[in-house]
Amino acid sequence: EAQVTQNPRYLITVTGKKLTVTCSQNMNHEYMSWYRQDPGLGLRQIYYSMNVEVTDKGDVPEGYKVSRKEKRNFPLILESPSPNQTSLYFCASQAAGAFNNEQFFGPGTRLTVL
Amino acid sequence: DQQVKQNSPSLSVQEGRISILNCDYTNSMFDYFLWYKKYPAEGPTFLISISSIKDKNEDGRFTVFLNKSAKHLSLHIVPSQPGDSAVYFCAASGTSGYSTLTFGKGTMLLVSP
Repeated sequence: EAQVTQNPRYLITVTGKKLTVTCSQNMNHEYMSWYRQDPGLGLRQIYYSMNVEVTDKGDVPEGYKVSRKEKRNFPLILESPSPNQTSLYFCASQAAGAFNNEQFFGPGTRLTVL
Repeated sequence: DQQVKQNSPSLSVQEGRISILNCDYTNSMFDYFLWYKKYPAEGPTFLISISSIKDKNEDGRFTVFLNKSAKHLSLHIVPSQPGDSAVYFCAASGTSGYSTLTFGKGTMLLVSP
């Protein structure tokens, strides 16, 4: 089954404790992205990657890092989480040849930073 | 500056009636417009899209209309069903290939039996 998976699905942590949210896709997509969803703000892009070792900032990159060492994986790293990073996070992937730029989303990771 | 706007946070419709969700945009360079549906505890799923060179695209009960001069698009669901109750996001992107999706804030649709 073609899918984007994220782990963990739920995470409660404390301020300053480094964490990583993993994302993996099995569709051989070149492009991957991370979004956060907050009430009243919709989906905002954090980082994206156009291919292995190619990443770039989205609209709200502060406090986040990403890496793309393999095509299928695109982990999101919070080096020193803060309460304002409490949010619902989505990973997405897209085929390079998608004519309408359709992205496929993972199930989401709900992060709470205390 | 919000480039994609969904001004209605919520919409309530009776089963069998038409649901109309609206979206406005400001960037005339957008080439593609997409609608995503999102259920609680799930990721957004693609519903339907339209190219900027078209004014209508239909897929079963879902039709998207694009008015480029007004920078406005709408999603029509006919007939609406209780299972359509979800949050609907409008998104826009540039040329085909890879282009960032810019999302609106979403509209929560509630279809009551």
